[in-house]
Amino acid sequence: QAVVTQEPSLTVSPGGTVTLTCGSSTGVVTSGHYPYWFQQKPGQAPRTLIYDTSTKHSWTPARFSGSLLGGKAALTLSGAQPEDEAEYYCLLSYSGTKVFGGGTKLAVL
Amino acid sequence: QVQLQQSGPGLVKPSQTLSLTCAISGDSVSSNSAAWNWIRQSPSRGLEWLGRTYYRSKWYNEYAVFVKSRITINPDTSKNQFSLQLNSVTPEDTAFYYCANYHFDHWGQGSLVTVSS
Repeated sequence: QAVVTQEPSLTVSPGGTVTLTCGSSTGVVTSGHYPYWFQQKPGQAPRTLIYDTSTKHSWTPARFSGSLLGGKAALTLSGAQPEDEAEYYCLLSYSGTKVFGGGTKLAVL
Repeated sequence: QVQLQQSGPGLVKPSQTLSLTCAISGDSVSSNSAAWNWIRQSPSRGLEWLGRTYYRSKWYNEYAVFVKSRITINPDTSKNQFSLQLNSVTPEDTAFYYCANYHFDHWGQGSLVTVSS
């Protein structure tokens, strides 16, 4: 099974910008991996922010955006808010299966 | 508005079969534009996608490699629901289990399943 890698932790200042990345042990991440990004806060189920690389749900704040960057999927948060402190997970699709990354704990400090 | 309601036992003995059901309202399990996922989460293993079922003129199932030999996901069109069966469980299968729809925009409430004798 492929291994999906994320930064274990990142810190961003309020109002600042941070990019979380999602890499694959199989090589370059492409749109064909249909990257998802989830946000999870303590005691809650994960909530999808982004699917198919860059498509937002109606509830996704405009400050979040998804892209492909340097061979990885990327989630960029521009103008971080205290409520964005959470765990973020990516999910990649591989020919009939899907694999989650280990998650990035984002602190807004 | 899609809603997913999970049910099933919270305690399973080692070597037995874990069974959960996810009842769907607001959508159809056999919709040609839907897919129905099972996911689990534990502190030691993080989030794990387990598999999904979907209908595109016929039924398809896709499973995670690490559980492929032990898992079955079945649709039940008569009750508009789908189920998860995980065989030969061990304490490592203790986790919160979730069902979710195609783009994971709707989730069940979660079920804590403990594998213990």
